[in-house]
Amino acid sequence: GAVVSQHPSRVICKSGTSVKIECRSLDFQATTMFWYRQFPKKSLMLMATSNEGSKATYEQGVEKDKFLINHASLTLSTLTVTSAHPEDSSFYICSARAPGGGNQPQHFGDGTRLSIL
Amino acid sequence: AQTVTQSQPEMSVQEAETVTLSCTYDTSESDYYLFWYKQPPSRQMILVIRQEAYKQQNATENRFSVNFQKAAKSFSLKISDSQLGDAAMYFCAYRPGIQGAQKLVFGQGTRLTINP
Repeated sequence: GAVVSQHPSRVICKSGTSVKIECRSLDFQATTMFWYRQFPKKSLMLMATSNEGSKATYEQGVEKDKFLINHASLTLSTLTVTSAHPEDSSFYICSARAPGGGNQPQHFGDGTRLSIL
Repeated sequence: AQTVTQSQPEMSVQEAETVTLSCTYDTSESDYYLFWYKQPPSRQMILVIRQEAYKQQNATENRFSVNFQKAAKSFSLKISDSQLGDAAMYFCAYRPGIQGAQKLVFGQGTRLTINP
């Protein structure tokens, strides 16, 4: 089945550091990928929709200058948390929808646990 | 805006028994898709089952089946012969059927515990 790879799986860094998370679709081309944030024991909240070759679409309340998204190819989207602070600590998950029509589900990466000290 | 509600924060079931997880949603659209995802402690989201709204027949995947009631906007998940590996957070999700509209809306999740 379709596989989405996310890297790194865990990051621990100092406040003020910028962190880049990669999301790759391994066996299909994804024109659209999605970035979610998940707080402990909570549901997934969509942060932004990443579109290949164009600007990402951010959900209301998400700072686009804080969470930079780049979708440079059909198999790779990156999320950069700029100047991260402790409140940015969270679990970040990406997903991509497999091609083949509207009934295709989204396939998720394994997630990245970001801890800002 | 569409919303998805899972009214059971936690559920538990005895191994080999059957459990049903509830999900309701609100939408004004007639064409959409519904999904159940499982998130085990490893945190990876795994698709369990999906349902197209235009299909009257309930989806089934081995031990997993749904009870889709379109008029009531209800989409419950039944797990038969529960196994220890079924323990996880379960999320119900909705996606519009409009071409190009791909955003998933998730419910709050239900934590399922399997008692040996």
